[in-house]
Amino acid sequence: GAVVSQHPSRVICKSGTSVKIECRSLDFQATTMFWYRQFPKQSLMLMATSNEGSKATYEQGVEKDKFLINHASLTLSTLTVTSAHPEDSSFYICSARPVRQVSYEQYFGPGTRLTVT
Amino acid sequence: GENVEQHPSTLSVQEGDSAVIKCTYSDSASNYFPWYKQELGKGPQLIIDIRSNVGEKKDQRIAVTLNKTAKHFSLHITETQPEDSAVYFCAARPNTGTASKLTFGTGTRLQVTL
Repeated sequence: GAVVSQHPSRVICKSGTSVKIECRSLDFQATTMFWYRQFPKQSLMLMATSNEGSKATYEQGVEKDKFLINHASLTLSTLTVTSAHPEDSSFYICSARPVRQVSYEQYFGPGTRLTVT
Repeated sequence: GENVEQHPSTLSVQEGDSAVIKCTYSDSASNYFPWYKQELGKGPQLIIDIRSNVGEKKDQRIAVTLNKTAKHFSLHITETQPEDSAVYFCAARPNTGTASKLTFGTGTRLQVTL
């Protein structure tokens, strides 16, 4: 149980185009999903917190117009990188917390490697 | 906000030996402390966690200890195997609401040599 999937696992796009990454909780419902970015040999950097049916909360320094997040259902959140540039190349990871009365655990997806050329 | 420090940054042990990774946190409101294992090119995998009402938790070869007074917690891996080689992250979170955030340590790269 507690499986989170991401699609695609890898994507290469040209500078100026937009890319959408999907995050799904496969066997549980998640009121809250999180999007992280990870640079090589570094820790996870939280970009935004996504709540089902409401606007995402972005961390300081993260451009909300560049990284569009939609949490349309209890099992799906999407991250769209708009007008991508080479500096947006990174490993993007989503995470989800199960809907429970007291929810402690947080499970991560396998990540999406974005390369912008 | 919360600050989590993790040591060491790299750790090399021989197969069969034990490995210990230590973390300290700053926010006394934190009450949930998970450990994640991340293999190259993959997402973090939750391997064990501990809540503040417990001092120690064990799951086969891995154990976590928590000292709330000193604000530190540790991961212990016994009888290490080559497949334990990965990057391990500790994290801390105050469980005050569904959107409360994990704060991660900087990671420890564990290498288990034959």
